[in-house]
Amino acid sequence: DTGVSQNPRHKITKRGQNVTFRCDPISEHNRLYWYRQTLGQGPEFLTYFQNEAQLEKSRLLSDRFSAERPKGSFSTLEIQRTEQGDSAMYLCASSLDYRASTDTQYFGPGTRLTVL
Amino acid sequence: AQTVTQSQPEMSVQEAETVTLSCTYDTSENNYYLFWYKQPPSRQMILVIRQEAYKQQNATENRFSVNFQKAAKSFSLKISDSQLGDTAMYFCAFRAGTALIFGKGTTLSVSS
Repeated sequence: DTGVSQNPRHKITKRGQNVTFRCDPISEHNRLYWYRQTLGQGPEFLTYFQNEAQLEKSRLLSDRFSAERPKGSFSTLEIQRTEQGDSAMYLCASSLDYRASTDTQYFGPGTRLTVL
Repeated sequence: AQTVTQSQPEMSVQEAETVTLSCTYDTSENNYYLFWYKQPPSRQMILVIRQEAYKQQNATENRFSVNFQKAAKSFSLKISDSQLGDTAMYFCAFRAGTALIFGKGTTLSVSS
């Protein structure tokens, strides 16, 4: 068990470009979450997957954002036509069993996006 | 709407001392879970402690303990025998459904 991993760790892009981030959850974790954290704030929920199904999306997830988890393992988060306001840390988390009352989300190190 | 408030943006403590971080939340739910996460500088967020709302007994994890007051909607974190490695941003989080709702965090600095 190597924990949740995210790539790349840092991404600098120019406004208007598309970017894609990858998250590899802990093995056998069937739930995967994406959060966004801006400087000085706590993480804010974007979306989550139960296996390959995307079951909930936050109003923060604009049409320029799309997330996938094609085989119920790793997930990608794509941002199209990036804007300076997209600059943030994008965090991925995974959890094992939502049916368990103590279901805990484990976080990855994040991808820091800077849009110039 | 469910909200989490951490009223202390920054706190400092000396090694071996005890410090308490405050957290209040607002919800109409009866069944929910509360968490404290730690985010060291430039490192990933890790779970410190969790509390189920239906449990009256306060959770403890080694030097970390909580004071959970359900009626007051308060969930404070006490760190005993503070260590330099406790220096981090601490986030209080609430979960009733799927998503975690975080407070804005408290930056804790432990000095020798």
